[in-house]
Amino acid sequence: QKEVEQDPGPLSVPEGAIVSLNCTYSNSAFQYFMWYRQYSRKGPELLMYTYSSGNKEDGRFTAQVDKSSKYISLFIRDSQPSDSATYLCALTADFVFGPGTRLSVLP
Amino acid sequence: NAGVTQTPKFRVLKTGQSMTLLCAQDMNHEYMYWYRQDPGMGLRLIHYSVGEGTTAKGEVPDGYNVSRLKKQNFLLGLESAAPSQTSVYFCASNGLYRGAGGYTFGSGTRLTVV
Repeated sequence: QKEVEQDPGPLSVPEGAIVSLNCTYSNSAFQYFMWYRQYSRKGPELLMYTYSSGNKEDGRFTAQVDKSSKYISLFIRDSQPSDSATYLCALTADFVFGPGTRLSVLP
Repeated sequence: NAGVTQTPKFRVLKTGQSMTLLCAQDMNHEYMYWYRQDPGMGLRLIHYSVGEGTTAKGEVPDGYNVSRLKKQNFLLGLESAAPSQTSVYFCASNGLYRGAGGYTFGSGTRLTVV
């Protein structure tokens, strides 16, 4: 069983939509939870990170962690075409990344 | 401030050839990592280093060797390349234990083994 599961998509939404990206994980040990954005043929770039349950907001992005359900989410409000990319969740204490969800935001 | 620089960006190898991928960071980070990325598999850790002179195996270390002779450099070697090593290789670094604060990634090396 993979340590991190993530819906690979692809996911297509119209501009302005709210996007929900999700991961589940199996290891209950302490983790740093992170979301990375990766544009085509580029390296991943850090979007958000947290280590506690609850919500963390940064502009149009909200990271949500539910440790009891081992579930992490990234919400993107007012999505833009420039948000079109692959989004990777990561549990960096275990050096583990999800396979990524490819998102397309259509103008 | 260049961040993490990987060379080369592209390479085609014949089966059995050897090569070294170079990663350099200018952020004075202690921790450095080599990942490979394959379609549908996500990023998988090959080797990592927690400081100058140290290396450790990750999830998929077979067929690779690494060295960290200088704090700013982390080298990944393929002694005898195989088609299964065709992948995109990413180097990353960070300054805090176990990835706290997030990694800074390089732009990747696309390797094809024929």
